[in-house]
Amino acid sequence: AQKITQTQPGMFVQEKEAVTLDCTYDTSDPSYGLFWYKQPSSGEMIFLIYQGSYDQQNATEGRYSLNFQKARKSANLVISASQLGDSAMYFCAISGNTGGFKTIFGAGTRLFVKA
Amino acid sequence: GAVVSQHPSWVICKSGTSVKIECRSLDFQATTMFWYRQFPKQSLMLMATSNEGSKATYEQGVEKDKFLINHASLTLSTLTVTSAHPEDSSFYICSASAGSRGTEAFFGQGTRLTVV
Repeated sequence: AQKITQTQPGMFVQEKEAVTLDCTYDTSDPSYGLFWYKQPSSGEMIFLIYQGSYDQQNATEGRYSLNFQKARKSANLVISASQLGDSAMYFCAISGNTGGFKTIFGAGTRLFVKA
Repeated sequence: GAVVSQHPSWVICKSGTSVKIECRSLDFQATTMFWYRQFPKQSLMLMATSNEGSKATYEQGVEKDKFLINHASLTLSTLTVTSAHPEDSSFYICSASAGSRGTEAFFGQGTRLTVV
């Protein structure tokens, strides 16, 4: 079974500062993928970043980077230079082959960016 | 990224009627599609996995006779909520995957269902 844990229900960050959203996971799959999605109030799911379990380097996509610590089973999202438009729900998710590659989501973290 | 279109975006129906939601992959062939349900301020809960040409695999606790899933082609999957009741009111969202690896799944815009 796969499980994602996001322990921060809500986070505040000052505009232009960096923020880290925590994510830990549990899986029995030897190969898996970790994802972060952003969900604004409109409801759409916006893909942000992907990290494969065998990737040697941490993934980066623009202002998003993933701090992947495999031994600790953590995949924290770092957003640099926060913008007001970053205010949204953020979901960490995992997908693995024994689960039929279905994507399982964490509870989410609501990020508030203050001006 | 690839585009997944979900229709309708919102629907209001009377209790006891059935509602069909479509999920289309517009520019790629989706071997697998997933259907999720999201209650307000909660996470996405996987309802079922749909593979083209075969029966859907439902998650524990999801009534397969209540939520009918059809994946007739590599670009279309449908979810039909049968005999809808107010407790079925929710945000339903589909995602589509092109490959067999754990790669990114592309999400539709979601459908907000309200049963009155």
